[in-house]
Amino acid sequence: DAGVIQSPRHEVTEMGQEVTLRCKPISGHDYLFWYRQTMMRGLELLIYFNNNVPIDDSGMPEDRFSAKMPNASFSTLKIQPSEPRDSAVYFCASSLGGAGNTIYFGEGSWLTVV
Amino acid sequence: AQSVTQPDIHITVSEGASLELRCNYSYGATPYLFWYVQSPGQGLQLLLKYFSGDTLVQGIKGFEAEFKRSQSSFNLRKPSVHWSDAAEYFCAVGLGDMRFGAGTRLTVKP
Repeated sequence: DAGVIQSPRHEVTEMGQEVTLRCKPISGHDYLFWYRQTMMRGLELLIYFNNNVPIDDSGMPEDRFSAKMPNASFSTLKIQPSEPRDSAVYFCASSLGGAGNTIYFGEGSWLTVV
Repeated sequence: AQSVTQPDIHITVSEGASLELRCNYSYGATPYLFWYVQSPGQGLQLLLKYFSGDTLVQGIKGFEAEFKRSQSSFNLRKPSVHWSDAAEYFCAVGLGDMRFGAGTRLTVKP
């Protein structure tokens, strides 16, 4: 299997612009997670889906952030409008089954907002 | 509140020395417990996990971890560290979701 695929790997954008991060989970996995990693806050769970349905979005920092999973093989994380403090590495991860099952991470999307 | 704590931000050990990375958790029930490793510029890779049963868990790359319910701890150990073990290590707990500690950065001295 190709693993979790994220795009873009790197993005530099100007403040106020819309940013869309994309994720293709491992085929057959029914859980999908979005994480954000920064030096200051570490690895934060933003939102996770089960069978394409958002289960917990309490980690989404504010209304500028939104995530969708229109089907089992694709998810997006959108930031609109972006701000410099959104600069971070955003990881998508997926797993087969919920609690206790191994989560497989993508290589991350490195976002810089200037 | 549910939380995962890694008390050590940065640890330096000499190559060949033993290693122990600490992890404590606070959950309503005993969660599933994991250790992940992250090399620079990479995603996270699972080292080992604990669900139940034997409290000493063996993982990849010679790592092991011991679950101690009385201390709410799940410390990661390795008897002899190699230079390639230098990375960031994350403890994680899950009960449906998966939440990570702040991480411990390991530096290995020659």
